[in-house]
Amino acid sequence: DAGVIQSPRHEVTEMGQEVTLRCKPISGHDYLFWYRQTMMRGLELLIYFNNNVPIDDSGMPEDRFSAKMPNASFSTLKIQPSEPRDSAVYFCASSAWDRTSTDTQYFGPGTRLTVL
Amino acid sequence: KQEVTQIPAALSVPEGENLVLNCSFTDSAIYNLQWFRQDPGKGLTSLLLIQSSQREQTSGRLNASLDKSSGRSTLYIAASQPGDSATYLCAPCMEYGNKLVFGAGTILRVKS
Repeated sequence: DAGVIQSPRHEVTEMGQEVTLRCKPISGHDYLFWYRQTMMRGLELLIYFNNNVPIDDSGMPEDRFSAKMPNASFSTLKIQPSEPRDSAVYFCASSAWDRTSTDTQYFGPGTRLTVL
Repeated sequence: KQEVTQIPAALSVPEGENLVLNCSFTDSAIYNLQWFRQDPGKGLTSLLLIQSSQREQTSGRLNASLDKSSGRSTLYIAASQPGDSATYLCAPCMEYGNKLVFGAGTILRVKS
């Protein structure tokens, strides 16, 4: 398997523009996670899905952030409008998890977002 | 709210030393605890996963222990090598949902 795939790897945009980050989870995984990593706050969970349904979005910082998972093989994280403080590395991860599973979360390479 | 603390924040050692990285967490209602490695500019790679019912887990030169009741985990690295240089992250997985809470990490540098 190719692992978790994220695109783009790097994104530079101007304040106020819409940004869309994309993720393809590992085939067969039923959980998908979006994280944000900054020097100040470390690695934070933004939202996660189970079987394409959002389960917990309590980490989404503001209404400017939205995430969707239209099918089992694709998810997007959208920021509209973007602000300089949104600059960070955004990671997508997936897992196959139940109360008897030992599967861990597998992370993608991340998207480095810079908002000017 | 789960708080995760990792000590030390940074560590620089000569090659060959045995290392101890510490992780503490405030909420013991965890399902498992995972240790990850992150290389500069890269994603996270899972190293070890310890179930809450286990005391330790081993993989090669790595050994992780877990004391759930006291809220502590330790990662031992034996005979360190320059290739071990990376940031090591501890992340307990909460019982109430499949959520990892990350510590700030320990930045390790192994000098040749």
